[in-house]
Formats: sequence, structure tokens, C-alpha cells
Amino acid sequence: DAKTTQPPSMDCAEGRAANLPCNHSTISGNEYVYWYRQIHSQGPQYIIHGLKNNETNEMASLIITEDRKSSTLILPHATLRDTAVYYCIVRVAYSGGGADGLTFGKGTHLIIQP
Amino acid sequence: NAGVTQTPKFRVLKTGQSMTLLCAQDMNHEYMYWYRQDPGMGLRLIHYSVGEGTTAKGEVPDGYNVSRLKKQNFLLGLESAAPSQTSVYFCASSYSVAAPTGGRETQYFGPGTRLLVL
Repeated sequence: DAKTTQPPSMDCAEGRAANLPCNHSTISGNEYVYWYRQIHSQGPQYIIHGLKNNETNEMASLIITEDRKSSTLILPHATLRDTAVYYCIVRVAYSGGGADGLTFGKGTHLIIQP
Repeated sequence: NAGVTQTPKFRVLKTGQSMTLLCAQDMNHEYMYWYRQDPGMGLRLIHYSVGEGTTAKGEVPDGYNVSRLKKQNFLLGLESAAPSQTSVYFCASSYSVAAPTGGRETQYFGPGTRLLVL
């Protein structure tokens, strides 16, 4: 799986868009970009994933650069409840008979300021 | 839907005691997982199951056993608890199909069980 680099922390004002970057310059053609977050003392929460096209769901938007070497997770209107550690994971979608655990790096601690 | 639930939420054990952690999911997922998370560290996979009646070892399986007698339930057992097993335990579940519909990488986690072994 490709290595990812994220800033250790970011601040964002409540109500503004939070843009979280992730660098994955060694990504290969069959690797997807997944985003999860972990709010303090809770289980990780899946947010969104994509291969090469931009994606949007009810939680966030994912923008992947044309060369796929970086991506940005966008929370359009951040609230205090969005304060969490956000993880960018790049990996091949498993297609074999077994399974593999998710590997979370250090992520970005996003702090939403009132 | 309740999603993924875990019981108990918190437990204190003495060294050598045994206990079972229960995970239940109502999303009809084929795959289920048990992770542990220690302070300042990422998640580590203990065991997983690809379907009812099947289990497999993950990254850190020693000291744990699991069972999947029903599709919706995945049990994690500690036969003789040790202080090194003090941790937060998370259960997760996922579909088995590959992406782009999500697949095994789109995992849904429970709220966690905090275990303290004295």
C-alpha cells in the first residue's frame, strides 16, 4: 500500500469549509484513496473513498488530483462535532478470499474553532 | 439500524480472569473484525471472519480466541487476561465485495470496549 503524508494538525473556523490534504505520491493505478475519522474515544468512522474521479456524499467531498499523487478531503460547513483525527488511507481494494486490517497512520488532528 | 454494537462498554479484570467481548451488526455484512488500539498507537487487527463459522488470525492474535456462530455476531475471548491486554477493543464489519462499491476497505466500527487488566 502506498505511503501517505498528512499535516499533524489543522484549525478551521466553525461554519467554514475544512480542507484536509493528503499526499500519496507513490500511489499505483489500482489503489484507492479512503478517508476515515476518529472522534475522541469513539470508533473510526468511514467518510468517503475514490479512485480517480472526485466524489461527494452527505458527509464530505473528495478531490483527487489528475496525477493522483495527492487528494483533499473537504468538509463543506465544519461544525464543532467535526473535531477529530482524520486518516487518509491508500490501498488496493482487496479481492482475494481473505481480509486485511486497515492501517491508520498518525492522521491530521482537525480542530474546529467556535 | 443500530449498526455495530459492542458489549460491554467498559470492564476491569484481574490478571488471569477470562471474559468475552460481544460484537453484533445488523447490516448483513459478511466480514467482521476485531482490532485493538493502545494509547498513541494505531489500530491493530487481532482476528477476523469472512463468514459464519470461519475465523482467521490477524496481526496480533496471541492470547485471544474468536467465534462466529451467527453471521451477525462476532465474539472475542480472553482466556487468561494479562496487563498487556489493557486496551480499547473495536469491532468492525464490512461487505465482502470489492470496490468500487466499497468492499472490505469500507469498514463500519463499533463504539469500542475499554478493558483494564490489573
